[in-house]
Amino acid sequence: EPEVTQTPSHQVTQMGQEVILRCVPISNHLYFYWYRQILGQKVEFLVSFYNNEISEKSEIFDDQFSVERPDGSNFTLKIRSTKLEDSAMYFCASRDGQGESGNQPQHFGDGTRLSIL
Amino acid sequence: SQKIEQNSEALNIQEGKTATLTCNYTNYSPAYLQWYRQDPGRGPVFLLLIRENEKEKRKERLKVTFDTTLKQSLFHITASQPADSATYLCALASNAGNMLTFGGGTRLMVKP
Repeated sequence: EPEVTQTPSHQVTQMGQEVILRCVPISNHLYFYWYRQILGQKVEFLVSFYNNEISEKSEIFDDQFSVERPDGSNFTLKIRSTKLEDSAMYFCASRDGQGESGNQPQHFGDGTRLSIL
Repeated sequence: SQKIEQNSEALNIQEGKTATLTCNYTNYSPAYLQWYRQDPGRGPVFLLLIRENEKEKRKERLKVTFDTTLKQSLFHITASQPADSATYLCALASNAGNMLTFGGGTRLMVKP
């Protein structure tokens, strides 16, 4: 069964440094997402991406964050200047484009654990 | 503001029994409600979804109900097995929005 893959599985970065998290969504999917989960807390929506542009973003997704689909397969999340509070598990998800969004499952990767020192 | 509540306490049940998990929400009118399973260190895995105009949905040993008057969904696992032990997340989606809003999850432990 096709799956969403994320790399790296664990990223350790010094505060203030830039970090790029990478995802390969399922190949025929059209909508792409990033969520984060701080340890012991809820999964929180960050951003959705469709047709090469951001379709929706949360308050968490400020100017320090950006997303890109640089080629036909990868989907990346960049944090420009990391803060301690960015430490979390970051999940990428994708879904196909048929029908209403809530009527489709989202397929999640296993996440990248980001640790900011 | 929108609020989604799931039993924050872990649910411990004996193998073979039915597990019932609750998802309550306020200040929200979701068009769909989805349930996911999350194992430690892994991403959420989709299980079932139900529309606002559906009362009940079933898939194998799983059953979901959706009561928009009570603003509640119940998730049942019948004939539970130790392999069902995991955290179960409910997630709400509107017609207009593209995102899922997750509850905090309920940890289920099925003992042999």
